[in-house]
Amino acid sequence: GEEVAQTPKHLVRGEGQKAKLYCAPIKGHSYVFWYQQVLKNEFKFLISFQNENVFDETGMPKERFSAKCLPNSPCSLEIQATKLEDSAVYFCASSQFAGGATEAFFGQGTRLTVV
Amino acid sequence: AQSVTQPDIHITVSEGASLELRCNYSYGATPYLFWYVQSPGQGLQLLLKYFSGDTLVQGIKGFEAEFKRSQSSFNLRKPSVHWSDAAEYFCAVGQSSNTGKLIFGQGTTLQVKP
Repeated sequence: GEEVAQTPKHLVRGEGQKAKLYCAPIKGHSYVFWYQQVLKNEFKFLISFQNENVFDETGMPKERFSAKCLPNSPCSLEIQATKLEDSAVYFCASSQFAGGATEAFFGQGTRLTVV
Repeated sequence: AQSVTQPDIHITVSEGASLELRCNYSYGATPYLFWYVQSPGQGLQLLLKYFSGDTLVQGIKGFEAEFKRSQSSFNLRKPSVHWSDAAEYFCAVGQSSNTGKLIFGQGTTLQVKP
């Protein structure tokens, strides 16, 4: 598609439940990035993929968070056993390349609320 | 480590007035700099970017930004603000290493008074 599509728009989970977020990158883009935005600011990089391979996972929490990008499927970000502090908007972005000058296109985000 | 600072958390301007949003970065090499806008409930939209060349860059919606290496700044400007410009503005720097990862500033909330 011509835009990054994220689903669902909103997700509410009880503490301890699993949350799974999806991202369909722009067609032809090889790189996918996940960011977490807490409290309307503080964009934190989580993980990136080059096609189905993890490219950079330096921002990914060691526990409870996992992500995949499988061929012919939307990418996914999964949080096992959610905590209140996981409440945030999760943004996905895609780009053709991964150099520092790369323009990334962002989706509209998934708002996760953990209650 | 790279960092981006937006000193102004909140700015209010009158419609029709000029606007300048500040952005300072910390980076050893030539940075790749971006300004994004986030309207309520929306994702990030790229306003403009600087990679090299002319230090004054033009973007969409009448915005421009000037890269000043000596001041490590990349301030965003608009000569005349419209009510629809009310939004959150983020400055970001891209790393020269081939990761594509962006480091964002804390954001500046722009309020426009009628």
